[in-house]
Amino acid sequence: GAVVSQHPSWVICKSGTSVKIECRSLDFQATTMFWYRQFPKQSLMLMATSNEGSKATYEQGVEKDKFLINHASLTLSTLTVTSAHPEDSSFYICSARARMDQPQHFGDGTRLSIL
Amino acid sequence: KQEVTQIPAALSVPEGENLVLNCSFTDSAIYNLQWFRQDPGKGLTSLLLIQSSQREQTSGRLNASLDKSSGRSTLYIAASQPGDSATYLCAVGGGDRDDKIIFGKGTRLHILP
Repeated sequence: GAVVSQHPSWVICKSGTSVKIECRSLDFQATTMFWYRQFPKQSLMLMATSNEGSKATYEQGVEKDKFLINHASLTLSTLTVTSAHPEDSSFYICSARARMDQPQHFGDGTRLSIL
Repeated sequence: KQEVTQIPAALSVPEGENLVLNCSFTDSAIYNLQWFRQDPGKGLTSLLLIQSSQREQTSGRLNASLDKSSGRSTLYIAASQPGDSATYLCAVGGGDRDDKIIFGKGTRLHILP
């Protein structure tokens, strides 16, 4: 089945640091990738949708200058959390989809802890 | 605004039982519906995808049904096993109108050995 690789799986860093998370579709071309945030015992909250070669569409309340998304190729999207602070600590999950009639396939998530 | 509700929020059943998880959505104009499984601290595993024109999908011991007009979907798990313990999430896709998928809050399933 389709595989989405997310890296790193876990990162701890100091407040003020920028952190980059990668999401790769390993065996299919992902025209659309999605970035989610999940708080403990909560469901996934969509942060942004990115189509290859286009600017990401951010959900209301998500700061685009804080969470930079790049989808430069059909197999790679990155999320950079700039100047991270403790309130940015969360579980971030990406998903990728080849076409609209195809399922979204999810990465294993990245647990981000900002000290 | 689409809202997705999953009932029950948590469920514990003895191993071997058949069980049904419920999902309802407020806007019947959906493109598709997907069921996922999430293990603690992990990402999501896609279980079944039902297109809006379909009534059900089956994969092994799992069967998902969709009644778009009533805004309901069920996930049936046959002969449950301890390895089925996880959180099950239902998500609906809006299609052309809206590229997003909207998740329910999930049902935490615990299969008792």
